[in-house]
Amino acid sequence: GAGVSQSPSNKVTEKGKDVELRCDPISGHTALYWYRQSLGQGLEFLIYFQGNSAPDKSGLPSDRFSAERTGGSVSTLTIQRTQQEDSAVYLCASSFNQGSYNSPLHFGNGTRLTVT
Amino acid sequence: EDQVTQSPEALRLQEGESSSLNCSYTVSGLRGLFWYRQDPGKGPEFLFTLYSAGEEKEKERLKATLTKKESFLHITAPKPEDSATYLCACSGYSTLTFGKGTMLLVSP
Repeated sequence: GAGVSQSPSNKVTEKGKDVELRCDPISGHTALYWYRQSLGQGLEFLIYFQGNSAPDKSGLPSDRFSAERTGGSVSTLTIQRTQQEDSAVYLCASSFNQGSYNSPLHFGNGTRLTVT
Repeated sequence: EDQVTQSPEALRLQEGESSSLNCSYTVSGLRGLFWYRQDPGKGPEFLFTLYSAGEEKEKERLKATLTKKESFLHITAPKPEDSATYLCACSGYSTLTFGKGTMLLVSP
């Protein structure tokens, strides 16, 4: 079956521009996560959506970052006024999560963002 | 604060040379411990979930075990295609914490 799909796979943008990253989760998965992975670093949590509950935005590094999830499915991560330090791989994951964290996450292949 | 520490950071093995990767954790109310494999340019791929001390899971040349303080990923007679970064993650009451991973390189 189809896995988590992310687009674009690569994005090069100029400093100061806005970017939108898209995530299509596995059908039926109620939880959706965004992580950031920099070279040589671990996975950095950004935001978590669970069903119709308010999202957990505690990992967003600044107010330039925002995310939404429409209709409980597709999610978009938006970075405004990009900075060079935003360069990283942005990973999306989904899980069949009934309000706890004991279901495994299934990841997409990420969007590699390069800010020049 | 929940913490997950993986060791070693990098490991080089000869084909057929068995070894173990370690994941030590300090997590309040552990709900599950997950192992993932990540190949370059790809997202992490789910391998195992362990829920309680004493539990073991196996898949091909990999075997994961869990105690109250740590988990081991044992690799028996590895092959070059086992080369990847292996990530450990722990879920607590309201968090999911990832380790930084162990980069495994298996030479023919």
